[in-house]
Amino acid sequence: KAGVTQTPRYLIKTRGQQVTLSCSPISGHRSVSWYQQTPGQGLQFLFEYFSETQRNKGNFPGRFSGRQFSNSRSEMNVSTLELGDSALYLCASSPIFRSYEQYFGPGTRLTVT
Amino acid sequence: GNSVTQMEGPVTLSEEAFLTINCTYTATGYPSLFWYVQYPGEGLQLLLKATKADDKGSNKGFEATYRKETTSFHLEKGSVQVSDSAVYFCALRGETSGSRLTFGEGTQLTVNP
Repeated sequence: KAGVTQTPRYLIKTRGQQVTLSCSPISGHRSVSWYQQTPGQGLQFLFEYFSETQRNKGNFPGRFSGRQFSNSRSEMNVSTLELGDSALYLCASSPIFRSYEQYFGPGTRLTVT
Repeated sequence: GNSVTQMEGPVTLSEEAFLTINCTYTATGYPSLFWYVQYPGEGLQLLLKATKADDKGSNKGFEATYRKETTSFHLEKGSVQVSDSAVYFCALRGETSGSRLTFGEGTQLTVNP
C-alpha cells in the first residue's frame, strides 16, 4: 500500500507570495492532519480534516488555511508569505477520526526568501 | 494546555550502550502517549504507543511505560545500534484533542560504532 504522498517536496517562494501544498493520504484513510516543523518552534499542529470538515485548528494566523476533498486529499494554503513561514510542512493521515495510528508523509520543505 | 518536555539533547552513545530518553507531560485526564522517530530527510514514524496508565509500549527493542503518577513516558533500549541514530519525539494526544498531537522538542541520538 502506498504511503502518504506530499507534493511538491521542495519549494522556494518570495515573501508576500502565496503557496499551496498538497497531501494524498494512504488509500482508505479519511483523516488528514498538518504540522509545521521548524528548528525554533519544533512540531506544531496546524489543522485536522475529517470527511471534508475541519475538526481541529492550531494557533496559527488566518493566513494559513486548508481544505479536504471528497477523495480525502488535502491542501493547505499560506497567503502573504513571511520569512518565518520557512519550515518543513508535514501531513499525517489516519483511517478514522481520533485514530491512534497516524502515518506521516516525507514533508514539503518551504523556503521563503 | 497540554505540553511535553523531553530531556535536553543531543545524546551520543557507543554501539550496544543502554539508552534512556526522558519525557514528561502535562495534560488533564488520561492522554495517549507516543514516541515517534524521524530519520534524516524523512517524515515521522510511529515507534510505540501507550493509551492508558501502566501500559507498556514496545517495538524494535524500544520500550516505554505510561506512568500516571509521575506523568512520564521515558524511552529505553537495552542495546542501541548505529541504525538507531535519528531524532526521537515524545508526543501526547489529549482526551478531547481529536487526532491532534502535542510534541516534545525532540532528542537527537547519535550512535557511534
